[in-house]
Amino acid sequence: AQTVTQSQPEMSVQEAETVTLSCTYDTSESDYYLFWYKQPPSRQMILVIRQEAYKQQNATENRFSVNFQKAAKSFSLKISDSQLGDAAMYFCAYRPARKLVFGQGTRLTINP
Amino acid sequence: NAGVTQTPKFQVLKTGQSMTLQCAQDMNHNSMYWYRQDPGMGLRLIYYSASEGTTDKGEVPNGYNVSRLNKREFSLRLESAAPSQTSVYFCASKNTTGRKLFFGSGTQLSVL
Repeated sequence: AQTVTQSQPEMSVQEAETVTLSCTYDTSESDYYLFWYKQPPSRQMILVIRQEAYKQQNATENRFSVNFQKAAKSFSLKISDSQLGDAAMYFCAYRPARKLVFGQGTRLTINP
Repeated sequence: NAGVTQTPKFQVLKTGQSMTLQCAQDMNHNSMYWYRQDPGMGLRLIYYSASEGTTDKGEVPNGYNVSRLNKREFSLRLESAAPSQTSVYFCASKNTTGRKLFFGSGTQLSVL
């Protein structure tokens, strides 16, 4: 079974600091995609960043970057210069083919 | 742009009642999905439809049925609601070659 594990149910960070959210996944596939989604209290699912498994270079989107370790099956999200608007649930997700499998989520709190 | 539209946004049912959650997308996407989100469980796939006329079971299909009415619409039916089906339900869609999943705003369902 393909699983995604987020071992940190909750994280907090001071505004303007950097925080890293962890994600590991289990798969026998060699070609797949990985995603981080943000879910604010509005419930809307917002794509933050994505990574193709065949790419060695880590994806970056402004203040958001990932550390993709394919051999270790690890996909962490780093948020730099944290802002109050970053407070949300963050979900790691893995897609081998048609289906998207989500982790349990990490609730991120930003302390002013 | 409407994107993915789900109705209703909120619903309360009594145990044993039936109802259908509606989902429509206006992006001409081939693939559509139904997820449920429970606290601490992340999003779990109920059913998906890779194309018009096809449906497949996801991770938690028991107690649900789906209909891919046409390319735009993908409905989820609860024949006999149970308290264990209390959850937030998300519909999503994606183009066949696309990488990004587009989500609706969710339906909060409570079964008493």
